[in-house]
Amino acid sequence: QSALTQPASVSGSPGQSITISCTGTSSDVGSYNLVSWYQQYPGKAPRVIIYEVSKRPAEISYRFSGSKSGNTASLTISGLQAEDEGDFYCCSYAGAYTYVFGTGTKVTVL
Amino acid sequence: QVQLQESGPGLVKASETLSLTCTVSGDSISGYYWSWVRQPPGKGLEWIGYIYYSGGANYNPSLKSRVTISVDTSKNQFSLRLTSVTAADTAVYFCAKLSMGNPTREGVFDVWGQGTRVTVSS
Repeated sequence: QSALTQPASVSGSPGQSITISCTGTSSDVGSYNLVSWYQQYPGKAPRVIIYEVSKRPAEISYRFSGSKSGNTASLTISGLQAEDEGDFYCCSYAGAYTYVFGTGTKVTVL
Repeated sequence: QVQLQESGPGLVKASETLSLTCTVSGDSISGYYWSWVRQPPGKGLEWIGYIYYSGGANYNPSLKSRVTISVDTSKNQFSLRLTSVTAADTAVYFCAKLSMGNPTREGVFDVWGQGTRVTVSS
């Protein structure tokens, strides 16, 4: 069970859109629509921003959206804001009652 | 709403057993799945395992030989035991509620504790 692959860092200017990829295998991301995304600020607990590939909790901004194609899931942040700076992690059900997280991506707002 | 709070020693000696407890408040532990996730300093999240309130547990294959997660419904708590620890087990340990078998929210860690830092000393 290997960690899902994410880019180490992604940056963008305020107002722009950025996309974070999350690449797994046919045994995890490719087989299940159970990909979730988490945002984490330094020293804080993660919070869920996307679940089941593209669903968004009620309290999460519409600027966050998720999708999946094959073995790769993606998180898009539109209208980038300073408050979006932080670390982002994807997670997928990996079969056999196990879960796997991504390697994490640091988002920087320029 | 449900809140989670981790507790336990912040320092554990190498080769000994790490033991942490997560106390659930604001709702009953019954009917849900509960999980542990850890994060080594400066690194990413790692899923450790989860347990159903009735006791059935599943673990990360890489840790399975050393991990036990248990639940105490009378205290509204669940616990983590990790044996034969090394420096590689130094991390912030989070407990989390795992939403499973829920038709409206499946396979998501939707409530997290604040995390507790555990250092393994040699």
